[in-house]
Amino acid sequence: DAGVIQSPRHEVTEMGQEVTLRCKPISGHDYLFWYRQTMMRGLELLIYFNNNVPIDDSGMPEDRFSAKMPNASFSTLKIQPSEPRDSAVYFCASSLLGGPGNIQYFGAGTRLSVL
Amino acid sequence: TQLLEQSPQFLSIQEGENLTVYCNSSSVFSSLQWYRQEPGEGPVLLVTVVTGGEVKKLKRLTFQFGDARKDSSLHITAAQTGDTGLYLCAGVQSWGKLQFGAGTQVVVTP
Repeated sequence: DAGVIQSPRHEVTEMGQEVTLRCKPISGHDYLFWYRQTMMRGLELLIYFNNNVPIDDSGMPEDRFSAKMPNASFSTLKIQPSEPRDSAVYFCASSLLGGPGNIQYFGAGTRLSVL
Repeated sequence: TQLLEQSPQFLSIQEGENLTVYCNSSSVFSSLQWYRQEPGEGPVLLVTVVTGGEVKKLKRLTFQFGDARKDSSLHITAAQTGDTGLYLCAGVQSWGKLQFGAGTQVVVTP
């Protein structure tokens, strides 16, 4: 299996622009997670889906952030409008079981720089 | 929110030395996971500990879960340069959601 695939790997944009990050989970996995990693705050969970349905979006910073999962093999995280403080590495992860002890497989991340 | 504190934040040692990284919380977790993250990559799971007092070994890495399931430690024996990375602990909450610590950056020099 190719693992979790994220695109793009790097994104540089200007403040106010719309940014869309993409994720293809591991085939057959039923949970998908979006995280943000910064030096200041570490790895934070933004939102997660189960069977394409958003379960918990309490980590989404504000209304400028939105996430969708139109099917089992694709998810997007959109920021509109983007701000410099959104600069971070965004990770997508997927897992097969949501119960305790489940293993989350992470993608390589998208490094976002908002100028 | 259940918080996980990791210490130290940064550790630099020479090849062959031993090191220990700590993960502490005031709350109980159903289980705890340790991940290692290398530059430009996502975290990769090393181990899951479930039972209070449990000790797991992965080659030169020894993981321990506290009796009360609130804390954990990672001990590396005879560190190698390939052990360099960011070590993250994550508490598994009852519904499978992970709460990550801030991480310990380990640098092993030749």
